[in-house]
Amino acid sequence: NAGVTQTPKFQVLKTGQSMTLQCAQDMNHEYMSWYRQDPGMGLRLIHYSVGAGITDQGEVPNGYNVSRSTTEDFPLRLLSAAPSQTSVYFCASREGGGAPGANVLTFGAGSRLTVL
Amino acid sequence: AQKVTQAQTEISVVEKEDVTLDCVYETRDTTYYLFWYKQPPSGELVFLIRRNSFDEQNEISGRYSWNFQKSTSSFNFTITASQVVDSAVYFCALSPQGGSEKLVFGKGTKLTVNP
Repeated sequence: NAGVTQTPKFQVLKTGQSMTLQCAQDMNHEYMSWYRQDPGMGLRLIHYSVGAGITDQGEVPNGYNVSRSTTEDFPLRLLSAAPSQTSVYFCASREGGGAPGANVLTFGAGSRLTVL
Repeated sequence: AQKVTQAQTEISVVEKEDVTLDCVYETRDTTYYLFWYKQPPSGELVFLIRRNSFDEQNEISGRYSWNFQKSTSSFNFTITASQVVDSAVYFCALSPQGGSEKLVFGKGTKLTVNP
């Protein structure tokens, strides 16, 4: 199993450019989420989805859009990148309902984004 | 609001020493989960343990042990006989029982184990 796959691993953008961070999981997990990791800040939730067609905001949603058209994919879009969005981004997924692993997140390897 | 505090920003030990990483949490939920994740220098996040708020039994897994004390809202992590491979950033995290997509992380403790 590939688990949670994020692309790209590294990206450099100029201020104002747009881009999409891709996230795909092959575990048929209902729940998917995006976190950003900044030095000394831990991980903070950006957006999450509890199933196809359903998304909601996390702690730091401004400047980011998401959609969930399929169970497998949960892309994160930056419409107009800003230097404050320089960070490492992690996508995560988990099973839903009463499954044994229902509350354990599986993380992707991360995507390092630099906005100049 | 939920909050996780890891007061130790960085810890440095010599191999074979025991080390305890502290985690204190705040929540108004009556049911919740606590987690520890490890982030080695390679950057990925590795799940270590999940503890249900109903279960205050301590847990041991090899050289790792966890002490959950609801009375002090703490969930501390001890590594016995530390090894260089234990060098990593360790995160404590908290979620309501029904919503791990809303996991709240502490800021992490960077552990360096020197040979």
